[in-house]
Amino acid sequence: ELKVEQNPLFLSMQEGKNYTIYCNYSTTSDRLYWYRQDPGKSLESLFVLLSNGAVKQEGRLMASLDTKARLSTLHITAAVHDLSATYFCAGDMRFGAGTRLTVKP
Amino acid sequence: DTAVSQTPKYLVTQMGNDKSIKCEQNLGHDTMYWYKQDSKKFLKIMFSYNNKELIINETVPNRFSPKSPDKAHLNLHINSLELGDSAVYFCASSRSGNQPQHFGDGTRLSIL
Repeated sequence: ELKVEQNPLFLSMQEGKNYTIYCNYSTTSDRLYWYRQDPGKSLESLFVLLSNGAVKQEGRLMASLDTKARLSTLHITAAVHDLSATYFCAGDMRFGAGTRLTVKP
Repeated sequence: DTAVSQTPKYLVTQMGNDKSIKCEQNLGHDTMYWYKQDSKKFLKIMFSYNNKELIINETVPNRFSPKSPDKAHLNLHINSLELGDSAVYFCASSRSGNQPQHFGDGTRLSIL
């Protein structure tokens, strides 16, 4: 069974700063997903990473996958308040614990 | 147009009761899922169905019984509700077993 670990679990950052969320997984997975969840809301798919070295970008978020290291990262560039949410990585229906991001002015 | 819809949105009931949550998707997906999200936001897969057939049944008490009358619907029936069942239950669907999932809005279940 795939195990997914994220860190940090809580992240408070100032607007305009950069930061990275890390996602380690225990066994080989065909693909890795990133989702966003706003408080009290549903989950929204952000990225699907299919192969080693895959990089995807959407706005201020960039996700990458290193299958050899079993590591995915979600990099936030020049954070803005609207990015405040919980971010989950997932593979094979197994989710990490989530990273609760708060962006402060 | 709602892609994955769950009803009810809120469910407040007493211990020992039986309740059902309904889920429907209009995306033409062939795989559907139930997840439980606890108070710490941890998401755990409960069941997965592909074309009405059960493919994943995690370690879930047998008080929980999913039913898929067709590939657009996956309902969840819970017998003899317990305090520990309080959580948000999410239904999701995907094109196949390994594609991004589309989630419903969740059903917040509170046991008194």
